[in-house]
Amino acid sequence: TQLLEQSPQFLSIQEGENLTVYCNSSSVFSSLQWYRQEPGEGPVLLVTVVTGGEVKKLKRLTFQFGDARKDSSLHITAAQPGDTGLYLCAGDGSSNTGKLIFGQGTTLQVKP
Amino acid sequence: SAVISQKPSRDICQRGTSLTIQCQVDSQVTMMFWYRQQPGQSLTLIATANQGSEATYESGFVIDKFPISRPNLTFSTLTVSNMSPEDSSIYLCSVDGVLGVYGYTFGSGTRLTVV
Repeated sequence: TQLLEQSPQFLSIQEGENLTVYCNSSSVFSSLQWYRQEPGEGPVLLVTVVTGGEVKKLKRLTFQFGDARKDSSLHITAAQPGDTGLYLCAGDGSSNTGKLIFGQGTTLQVKP
Repeated sequence: SAVISQKPSRDICQRGTSLTIQCQVDSQVTMMFWYRQQPGQSLTLIATANQGSEATYESGFVIDKFPISRPNLTFSTLTVSNMSPEDSSIYLCSVDGVLGVYGYTFGSGTRLTVV
């Protein structure tokens, strides 16, 4: 069974601080996706990483896919209150069924 | 990416009753997925709905409790049957990448409270 361990589960920081969220597995994934969810809304896709070692940047967010495609990280620079939300990593299951395997989620609160 | 309309957005239901959640997509998609989520927690896949075939249910979810319809490539429903307070949760539909967009699009969710 493929599992994704996401950490930390909760993070409360001050505006302007940096943070990193980790997503780890013992299994190889063909791709990993990162989502952000706000209360009352569904998750919104931030990025998909496909190639081992890949780094993608989205403004202040930097996403990295491990060389072995078993782990990923999300780094936020100079966090803003608008970054507050639930961050979820998700991987494509190995059975090519189209199903996503989700990590446990990281609830981020950025205080002004 | 696809646009998903999910309704109702929330409902409060009596135990023992059933609620049907609708999910409409603005483009044709092969697979639609139904998830359950406790507030602030991760998503658990209930089933995969394919047009023209029976839905495929994940471990712990059964068709009698969560019947799914998929009459065409743009629409699906999930029914939560014979509800109990334990069914109180957020239910979300999702579709896989459309038009080459590699990623999933989610509906805004249905927040269900069973009393």
